[in-house]
Amino acid sequence: GNSVTQMEGPVTLSEEAFLTINCTYTATGYPSLFWYVQYPGEGLQLLLKATKADDKGSNKGFEATYRKETTSFHLEKGSVQVSDSAVYFCALFWSGGSEKLVFGKGTKLTVNP
Amino acid sequence: NAGVTQTPKFQVLKTGQSMTLQCAQDMNHNSMYWYRQDPGMGLRLIYYSASEGTTDKGEVPNGYNVSRLNKREFSLRLESAAPSQTSVYFCASSVLSGGPDEQYFGPGTRLTVT
Repeated sequence: GNSVTQMEGPVTLSEEAFLTINCTYTATGYPSLFWYVQYPGEGLQLLLKATKADDKGSNKGFEATYRKETTSFHLEKGSVQVSDSAVYFCALFWSGGSEKLVFGKGTKLTVNP
Repeated sequence: NAGVTQTPKFQVLKTGQSMTLQCAQDMNHNSMYWYRQDPGMGLRLIYYSASEGTTDKGEVPNGYNVSRLNKREFSLRLESAAPSQTSVYFCASSVLSGGPDEQYFGPGTRLTVT
């Protein structure tokens, strides 16, 4: 079945550090890929998405590129801020299957001043 | 627009008690979802409703029932709560279920079953 694997957390960085959170997926066909973010005490919200191979999603300084050859969608940010502290979820959607979002387990990021 | 709202925010139940979690959206979305979030498990889909009048099981439906009351409202019922149902429950909605649309999430209900 379809699945998403994220790097284990938690991740702790200093402000202005470079962030990478790895995400790989398993799917038959070509899914759409997403990153959702959950700030403390809140629900999830969409951060960025890519719907086909080589697409780059970007938002709020975060980027991720859909790599079909490596089945990956790694999240990156060049300079993190304290306000980026949150849990980040990679997810996929494939319309040829169950037509529902499949989430990874989440990666908690803490950014210290 | 309030987006997706959920009530209550917190709830403590004793084993065997029942309760209904309420969810409403004001975005005229067709599809609605119930997830549970447990530490180290990510989000798991309990039930979803692709459109008004339809509901389908997700990954972990046992012990739950749902009602799509109308286009706006989608409730989740625990008939006989068990400690294994201690979790944070999120409701979400999207325009359609058959496409890679953004899902909009409510703030969650933290449920403890003792």
